[in-house]
This record gives sequence, structure tokens and C-alpha cells, in this order.
Amino acid sequence: KAGVTQTPRYLIKTRGQQVTLSCSPISGHRSVSWYQQTPGQGLQFLFEYFSETQRNKGNFPGRFSGRQFSNSRSEMNVSTLELGDSALYLCASSLTSGTTDTQYFGPGTRLTVL
Amino acid sequence: DAKTTQPPSMDCAEGRAANLPCNHSTISGNEYVYWYRQIHSQGPQYIIHGLKNNETNEMASLIITEDRKSSTLILPHATLRDTAVYYCIVRPRDLTGANNLFFGTGTRLTVIP
Repeated sequence: KAGVTQTPRYLIKTRGQQVTLSCSPISGHRSVSWYQQTPGQGLQFLFEYFSETQRNKGNFPGRFSGRQFSNSRSEMNVSTLELGDSALYLCASSLTSGTTDTQYFGPGTRLTVL
Repeated sequence: DAKTTQPPSMDCAEGRAANLPCNHSTISGNEYVYWYRQIHSQGPQYIIHGLKNNETNEMASLIITEDRKSSTLILPHATLRDTAVYYCIVRPRDLTGANNLFFGTGTRLTVIP
């Protein structure tokens, strides 16, 4: 079974631009969670989507948003990019929402903001 | 809010067992212990999880103390490819709970040739 895939793997943007990252979960998984990893803050939870609805949200500004499609694929968007948004963005999928299922991570998208 | 304490770094000789400790003294009855590892700049990889019994899979063994306040992840024969940051995470099993993982700072394991 194919794992979680993320596209693109690397991205370079400039301040003020916006960016959209994509995540395809493991087949059959309906929950997708997004995380941001930076050297200073470590791995931090952004939000979770389940059945096309945002179920949980971390402590990030409204510039960070996401959505989930009927096939469980998810996208996250960051508008008005700042230098501090440079990070590894990870998505993880699990069978269902709640905490009864293991989350499996994708390889991440490395975003560099210049 | 990380509820675990791990040593920041450890070394292990290649071919020997790597024993990674984790303290979770405030763990509650419905919380599982999960282990993930992250090899440099890759996504975290799930290793194993358990509630109170010892668990073993093809990657590792998880030993949980009887009082559940600490656990040890054992990689039986460490290889250079096991060099990574290892995260111990406690997580309730709750159908309605928030499906987010709290990663602490983990243990950086270096396997030495």
C-alpha cells in the first residue's frame, strides 16, 4: 500500500506570496493532519481535517488554512508569506479522527521564504 | 503539551542494542505510549505503541514499567540507518479526542560504526 505523498517536495517563495501544498493520504484513510517543523519550535500541529471538515486547529494565525476533498486529499494554504514561515510542512493520515488510530507521516514539503 | 521526558542524546555501537528511555510519570489510564523516529529532514516514522503490556514488532520492542511511569524502546541490533531523533509521545485513545500529536524534543540517537 502506498504511503502518504506530499507535493511539491521543495518550494521557494518570496515574502508576501502565497503557497499551496498538497497531501494524499494512505488509501482508505480519512483523516489528514498538518504539522509545521522549524528548528526553533520543533514539530507543531496546524490542523486536522476529517470528512472534508476541519476538526481541530493549532495555534497558528489565520494566514494558514486548509481544506479536504471528497477523496480525502488535502491542501494547505499559507497567504502573505513571512520569512518565519520557512519550515518543513508535514502531513499525516490516519484511518479515522479521534485518537484511536496511528498517524502515518509523509516525507514533507520544504518551504523556503526569501 | 509534551508529557514526556527523554535524554537529549545517546550513542550506540553498531550491532548492539539501543535502549532509549522515556519518562511519563503523569500518564493516565487511557493514554498509550507511542514512539516515532525522524531521520534527518524526513517525515516522522511510526515505530511502535503500547498501553501496559510489552510490545514487539519487526522494528523494535517497547517495554513499559508496571506502574506505567516510564518505558524503554529497544532496537535490538542498531545499524547506521537507525541514526535519528526518537520521539516518545503519550496519547489518549479517544474517539472524540483531538487527533494531534505533541512532539517534545526527543532523543538524538547516533549509531557509531
